[in-house]
Amino acid sequence: SSELTQDPAVSVALGQTVRITCQGDSLRSYYASWYQQKPGQAPVLVIYGKNNRPSGIPDRFSGSSSGNTASLTITGAQAEDEADYYCNSRDSSGRVFGGGTKLTVL
Amino acid sequence: QVQLQQWGAGLLKPSETLSLTCAVYGGSFSGYYWSWIRQPPGKGLEWIGEINHSGSTNYNPSLKSRVTISVDTSKNQFSLKLSSVTAADTAVYYCARDVEMATIVARWGRFDPWGQGTLVTVSS
Repeated sequence: SSELTQDPAVSVALGQTVRITCQGDSLRSYYASWYQQKPGQAPVLVIYGKNNRPSGIPDRFSGSSSGNTASLTITGAQAEDEADYYCNSRDSSGRVFGGGTKLTVL
Repeated sequence: QVQLQQWGAGLLKPSETLSLTCAVYGGSFSGYYWSWIRQPPGKGLEWIGEINHSGSTNYNPSLKSRVTISVDTSKNQFSLKLSSVTAADTAVYYCARDVEMATIVARWGRFDPWGQGTLVTVSS
């Protein structure tokens, strides 16, 4: 099955903008969804489709896609955004997750 | 609002079969895929497999030989069985609804909502 590749760790200064990327062949034909996970909690959907946010997700979270790369952008990162972020897509076998990116807000 | 509640045995011995069930409350059961996802301690998320209301399944190729996902539409429940477990199967297991969408030019989906998670430990 295809894979999704994420950088293991990314850091951002408080209030600055950070982009978390996800690469994989399946992303050429399927928009990624993005999940935020804080320690000891279940993942929470933050972005899906072309650039859709579920109710309750701040508008500083946005998504984009180009070719085989999907991106999650946090504009004006807050301390509470420190978490693990996972992308997900679908390939011929089913669903697939990226390895996750640990975001540190400095 | 749809809610998922899951349950099952939390402690297993090697070679036993893991069994979890997820109940769907407050929404339609048909028209969606229903997935199982797991997360070993300190590691990332792994999709296990999915089923729809008519029983059509897809499994992660790496687990396919040991996984069975079934559905009980009369109870709005779906279940996971994973046979011949080892310590490597120790993880938090989640159930989730998969909402799939498609247009002429694009496809996308999302896992929403999720169950609360069940820690399954495999130890002798």
